[in-house]
Amino acid sequence: GNSVTQMEGPVTLSEEAFLTINCTYTATGYPSLFWYVQYPGEGLQLLLKATKADDKGSNKGFEATYRKETTSFHLEKGSVQVSDSAVYFCALNKKGSQGNLIFGKGTKLSVKP
Amino acid sequence: GAGVSQSPSNKVTEKGKDVELRCDPISGHTALYWYRQSLGQGLEFLIYFQGNSAPDKSGLPSDRFSAERTGGSVSTLTIQRTQQEDSAVYLCASSILSGPTSGEQYFGPGTRLTVT
Repeated sequence: GNSVTQMEGPVTLSEEAFLTINCTYTATGYPSLFWYVQYPGEGLQLLLKATKADDKGSNKGFEATYRKETTSFHLEKGSVQVSDSAVYFCALNKKGSQGNLIFGKGTKLSVKP
Repeated sequence: GAGVSQSPSNKVTEKGKDVELRCDPISGHTALYWYRQSLGQGLEFLIYFQGNSAPDKSGLPSDRFSAERTGGSVSTLTIQRTQQEDSAVYLCASSILSGPTSGEQYFGPGTRLTVT
């Protein structure tokens, strides 16, 4: 079936460190891929997306590239800030733009000053 | 513009009671989704409405759960005879299916349900 696996947290980094959160997926066809973020006390927000192979999504200094050959969509940021502390969810939509999202279990990131 | 709104924000109910949770999607969004977020299960899909099509109910965990969407806008999720394992945050999302933001789901703040 369709599924998303992301690295377990929590991840603790110092400010300005490099961040990678790994995400791999299993899906038939050509799903769309997403990263959502949930800041403390807030709702889920779309961070970035990619809809086809080799697409790179980017937002707020975060990037992720849709790699079909490795079925991955790893999230990266070159220099994290304390304000990036949140839970990050990788997700896929097996029907592209339609249908429900399938989420990974989330990775909690804490950034220390 | 206004985002997805949900009410109530918190609901405490006794085991065995029925509850109704409401979602008001972003105006013009034809697709509406319900998810459940709990500590043990992460984020689970419940049900999906798209326009006038029959809803995709494949994620509903039991027949105690039902949802409707009236007039293609507001949706209500009903849980009958609540059980303690129903305690979770219930999230609603909406999206449009065309244009540059096609498929991007926008989430409401959620309703935290506690069954005592």
